[in-house]
Amino acid sequence: SAVISQKPSRDICQRGTSLTIQCQVDSQVTMMFWYRQQPGQSLTLIATANQGSEATYESGFVIDKFPISRPNLTFSTLTVSNMSPEDSSIYLCSVAGFGGGETQYFGPGTRLLVL
Amino acid sequence: AQSVTQPDIHITVSEGASLELRCNYSYGATPYLFWYVQSPGQGLQLLLKYFSGDTLVQGIKGFEAEFKRSQSSFNLRKPSVHWSDAAEYFCAVGTGNQFYFGTGTSLTVIP
Repeated sequence: SAVISQKPSRDICQRGTSLTIQCQVDSQVTMMFWYRQQPGQSLTLIATANQGSEATYESGFVIDKFPISRPNLTFSTLTVSNMSPEDSSIYLCSVAGFGGGETQYFGPGTRLLVL
Repeated sequence: AQSVTQPDIHITVSEGASLELRCNYSYGATPYLFWYVQSPGQGLQLLLKYFSGDTLVQGIKGFEAEFKRSQSSFNLRKPSVHWSDAAEYFCAVGTGNQFYFGTGTSLTVIP
């Protein structure tokens, strides 16, 4: 499996500001994903981060609100823009395609509280 | 459409007792099936997965799961629960590069 790190691990932000979350993998991976987990809820896929092209967003998520970068096969960022209290969630990065497999492996998450 | 159902929102078991967490899925073919565990304040850790072959799969931490095609189920079991198993458990179905997660089952372990 891959070792995945996320920065920051947690943050408290003021409404109207933006936060960029970093995801770093110790190996090259084909696929990287960003999920949101609202308090007490399951995971919701925000987007697939594509290396060298624009991210693929799921229904209900837009690039202006959640811009994503993926400059190479080991790194991606997710920005939560113009935050509101409703954006308070855990944001999780996951990777797949490690060793050619379908399994997704998750980072430790970023816990975001918006005041 | 694909879906994953975990019927039990919350389960409480005594330490040392056996455990079974239920998972049912809806998918036209045999999907890839996963169980993840999320301890408080942590990310998701893969417990086990089923792709094909033997329908009884062994995972980490003494967990196992059985794929039953006729019931579209992939239930997670452990013969003797430890206090450290208290966590949130998620069943997931993978189809291609799409993952569908259940709503999770919260496990409480009492001494």
